[in-house]
Amino acid sequence: QKEVEQDPGPLSVPEGAIVSLNCTYSNSAFQYFMWYRQYSRKGPELLMYTYSSGNKEDGRFTAQVDKSSKYISLFIRDSQPSDSATYLCATRYTGANSKLTFGKGITLSVRP
Amino acid sequence: EAQVTQNPRYLITVTGKKLTVTCSQNMNHEYMSWYRQDPGLGLRQIYYSMNVEVTDKGDVPEGYKVSRKEKRNFPLILESPSPNQTSLYFCASHRPNTDTQYFGPGTRLTVL
Repeated sequence: QKEVEQDPGPLSVPEGAIVSLNCTYSNSAFQYFMWYRQYSRKGPELLMYTYSSGNKEDGRFTAQVDKSSKYISLFIRDSQPSDSATYLCATRYTGANSKLTFGKGITLSVRP
Repeated sequence: EAQVTQNPRYLITVTGKKLTVTCSQNMNHEYMSWYRQDPGLGLRQIYYSMNVEVTDKGDVPEGYKVSRKEKRNFPLILESPSPNQTSLYFCASHRPNTDTQYFGPGTRLTVL
C-alpha cells in the first residue's frame, strides 16, 4: 500500500460548484499535511498547510484533516476556471529532516 | 524576485550521453531537493541536500548523482541516461522546519 493515496481523477465541474478533493494515508506518524497546486507547465506551489487534525480555511479553500480515519480533504467553494490545475496532497513526519510524501495528484477542470 | 531556476527547460538526448540539469535558488535556503514527476506515479524524490556538502538519497536515486558545492546550486547529473529516465524533473528548496517548498519550473527530459 502506498503511503499516500489520492483519488485518480480527472475531475470536471461547472463554475461555482463545490469541489471536494481527498487523500488517504497509511502511517499514523504523519503529522503535517499540505496541499500543493500545480498549473500546467509550472512547478507545484503550496496552497494550504495544516498540522495534526482539524480544519483550516483560507478564502474559498478549506483543508481538513481527520487523523482518526487518516483522511485529508481540500474543499473549494464557488470554484472558478482559474482553479483548474492539478492538486497534490502531501504529508510528512515530525522532524526537520523529514521529507514530503506526495499523492499522485488529481487534475481539476472548472468549466465556465 | 525569490525563485528557483532550472536549466535547460527542455532536453532531448540519446542513451548514454552524460547530461547535467542545473538548479539555482536565490532565497538562501538550506534544503534543496530533486523530484521526478511521471503520469500515474506522481512526484517522487530523487535526492535531497540539507546543506553544502550534505546530500542523501530519496526514493528513486538509481541512475542519478548530485552535488552541493555551493548553497545556491544543486545540479542533477545523469552519467549514462536511459529511456526510463524520460520524465519531468523539478528542483525545490526550502528552509528547515517549514513545509513551503519552492519549486522550479521543471525540466522535461526525453532520452531516446
